Amino acid sequence: DAGVIQSPRHEVTEMGQEVTLRCKPISGHNSLFWYRQTMMRGLELLIYFNNNVPIDDSGMPEDRFSAKMPNASFSTLKIQPSEPRDSAVYFCASSRPGGRQETQYFGPGTRLLVL
Amino acid sequence: KQEVTQIPAALSVPEGENLVLNCSFTDSAIYNLQWFRQDHGKGLTSLLLIQSSQREQTSGRLNASLDKSSGRSTLYIAASQPGDSATYLCAVKGLAGAGSYQLTFGKGTKLSVIP
Repeated sequence: DAGVIQSPRHEVTEMGQEVTLRCKPISGHNSLFWYRQTMMRGLELLIYFNNNVPIDDSGMPEDRFSAKMPNASFSTLKIQPSEPRDSAVYFCASSRPGGRQETQYFGPGTRLLVL
Repeated sequence: KQEVTQIPAALSVPEGENLVLNCSFTDSAIYNLQWFRQDHGKGLTSLLLIQSSQREQTSGRLNASLDKSSGRSTLYIAASQPGDSATYLCAVKGLAGAGSYQLTFGKGTKLSVIP
């Protein structure tokens, strides 16, 4: 299995631009998670999908952030407009059906720098 | 709100030493606790998962313990090797909003094993 796939791996953009991060979960996994990692705040959950439906988006920082999961094999996290404080590493993770017993498998992350 | 603390933030040991990493959490109502490894610039890899009903888990040179009532976990690494150099993150899974399960992460301990 290829594992969780994220693209791009690195993104440099200017303040005000739209940024779209992409994730392909592991086949057969029905839960998908978007996290943000910074030195100051560590790893924070942004949003969580179960069977393509957003379950908990309480971690999404503000309306500039949006996430979609149009099908079981693809999700996007969009930032519009981007700001320098959005610079971070964004991780996507997926897990199998089974709820609280299952571990999450993480992708390699997208390193975002907003100038 | 669950808070996870890892001490120390960084640790440097000579090769061959046994070492212990510490994790504490504020809310003992957890389903499980996981230890992850993160190599520089990479994603997270799950090392050990301890269910709330368990006291410890072992994998090779790694042993993780859980004392749920006191809100503590330790990760013991025996006979450390330079390849063990990485950041180790502790995460607890608890009930979040809308009946979902959420992982709350510590900020990690950066381990350096000196040859």
